[in-house]
Amino acid sequence: ETGVTQSPTHLIKTRGQQVTLRCSSQSGHNTVSWYQQALGQGPQFIFQYYREEENGRGNFPPRFSGLQFPNYSSELNVNALELDDSALYLCASSQRGPNPEAFFGQGTRLTVV
Amino acid sequence: GQSLEQPSEVTAVEGAIVQINCTYQTSGFYGLSWYQQHDGGAPTFLSYNALDGLEETGRFSSFLSRSDSYGYLLLQELQMKDSASYFCAVRPYGGATNKLIFGTGTLLAVQP
Repeated sequence: ETGVTQSPTHLIKTRGQQVTLRCSSQSGHNTVSWYQQALGQGPQFIFQYYREEENGRGNFPPRFSGLQFPNYSSELNVNALELDDSALYLCASSQRGPNPEAFFGQGTRLTVV
Repeated sequence: GQSLEQPSEVTAVEGAIVQINCTYQTSGFYGLSWYQQHDGGAPTFLSYNALDGLEETGRFSSFLSRSDSYGYLLLQELQMKDSASYFCAVRPYGGATNKLIFGTGTLLAVQP
């Protein structure tokens, strides 16, 4: 186990709704990244938070937003859900710096119907 | 843009050796990592190459050649539990410090 926990594990939402996914990072890690993984593909970088500020974003629209809290836990919010948002959403915690290892949570499986 | 290409599937038998290749097109990166993912679960870190050459971690070894834009993961003494998806990933220069760009992924099936 990595010490990174995500909730909920599964979620079904209707197109147009909003969703909030949560992530508790590993103790001592100050950086949280979020990834979207469609079935059969590699994870795609959504954005990253360091010290409660977004410090990098992938090719995702503004309806994908996030927060990082003082305890380094994080939320991913997606507004106006679309069918293509159906995917596994992964949270990864790491320590900012040269250490390359990222610790991933089990993910949240989001289905949009 | 940046892209990392991997074979989609590889099949091998228990006890054998298998190599999973990763070819990439990227402007610059800190190093090449490998992650294992079982059946849609959490990707777990396997290996990292910051410099060209071979890195060995138990049954797993990883290789990087920046001049050839190529790397591979070598799995020895294959076990059934090694059946999983394997992803190469790079940390690109610029932008978010700990951002990872993942490859297309290789599904490894280990047969008895």
